[in-house]
Amino acid sequence: EVLLLESGGDLVQPGGSLRLSCAASGFTFSSYAMTWVRQAPGKGLEWVSAISGTGDYTYYADSVKGRFTISRDNSKDTLILQLSSLRVEDTAVYFCAKTEALGVIIVPEYFYMDVWGRGTTVAVSS
Amino acid sequence: QSALTQPASVSGSPGQSIAISCTGTSSDVGGYGLVSWYQQHPGKAPKLMIYDVSKRPSGVSTRFSGSRSGNTASLTISGLQAEDEADYYCCSYAGSYTLVFGGGTKLTVL
Repeated sequence: EVLLLESGGDLVQPGGSLRLSCAASGFTFSSYAMTWVRQAPGKGLEWVSAISGTGDYTYYADSVKGRFTISRDNSKDTLILQLSSLRVEDTAVYFCAKTEALGVIIVPEYFYMDVWGRGTTVAVSS
Repeated sequence: QSALTQPASVSGSPGQSIAISCTGTSSDVGGYGLVSWYQQHPGKAPKLMIYDVSKRPSGVSTRFSGSRSGNTASLTISGLQAEDEADYYCCSYAGSYTLVFGGGTKLTVL
């Protein structure tokens, strides 16, 4: 069974930093591009970031570019999102999701999320 | 990266069919034709229902179907059932390896 389990969410002050992790199991983690998607309280889904299977290519939404860093440790089947310069508007549940995009480069035709984790909550408040 | 436009809510009675629209631009829905749809029950993770506009993942009911015309994609649910009551989100490839979601539609089964 394919499973994704996020952790690392916490209450943090504006301007602070946080590291989210996503432990993957049940599939060949290093083969697939992975993404982070967030959902603010009572709001819709927002795509945040994506990383290719090898980790060589990373992509970000304009709202987090320069503040968030996505990475992966394929030896530990773990996806990471480093959040810095946090703002109140970053408050959300952060979901880790697997895509169907195989290979070194993300092929757009396979750039959709077929498996999701349950999410981890980040609250930014003073 | 402006959000795609979805109706805030739709409703239908059991057994009926409903459609949820998702309007974008030539920079996303219309330009690439790579649209996916997700179902989310309260407090749960989203679930993939449709990808590549009209393809269904294994295990998803044939009652769910997708289509696209120009800059607008649609999700149709036929034979509405109580368990279909949920929030639905469209998502489109928007170029430069980015994705954009719709604002979401709350489906109520009357």
